[in-house]
Amino acid sequence: KNEVEQSPQNLTAQEGEFITINCSYSVGISALHWLQQHPGGGIVSLFMLSSGKKKHGRLIATINIQEKHSSLHITASHPRDSAVYICAVKGGSEKLVFGKGTKLTVNP
Amino acid sequence: NAGVMQNPRHLVRRRGQEARLRCSPMKGHSHVYWYRQLPEEGLKFMVYLQKENIIDESGMPKERFSAEFPKEGPSILRIQQVVRGDSAAYFCASSALAGAGNEQFFGPGTRLTVL
Repeated sequence: KNEVEQSPQNLTAQEGEFITINCSYSVGISALHWLQQHPGGGIVSLFMLSSGKKKHGRLIATINIQEKHSSLHITASHPRDSAVYICAVKGGSEKLVFGKGTKLTVNP
Repeated sequence: NAGVMQNPRHLVRRRGQEARLRCSPMKGHSHVYWYRQLPEEGLKFMVYLQKENIIDESGMPKERFSAEFPKEGPSILRIQQVVRGDSAAYFCASSALAGAGNEQFFGPGTRLTVL
């Protein structure tokens, strides 16, 4: 079992829909990252959080430390949001442990 | 302030050749991390370096792979005698400090293809 599990693996939505991507982890962590990767492209850090909730534009990330769970929400989704979203956690060391990613496709 | 820079962006090597991947961290960052993304797989940690020191190399293959981060110049990930299974995207990240509150910023990656 992976230390970091994401769901769903693939997600298709219509433009304007509210999107939720989930991340569960099995180890104690000091921080959790949400990353975005476009096809053939680099990796952009969206959020780093260790408690509570953060918001940036149409993106919201929440984390529940007790339940070892985080969610990434996208409001009013747009085709340009189509990408792979990756959850990564930092445990007792500096290295990040990654989920396998959620491939999001938003259709116009 | 330029972000993390990696070069080359694409690298093609024949089996048995050497591959050198370079990473220049963000200005003021002295911590560098290398990650590998194999085709259709998730990202995996390889090595963590701080200027002139390897701090954690628990994700590095035991043979043919080495990394350095000299006092001057970029961090280098070196793969000797490449094989087809080394074909992957290699990402570098950097941070200013270590610890929970310090975010890692990623470079654009180097896509290595071994023929």
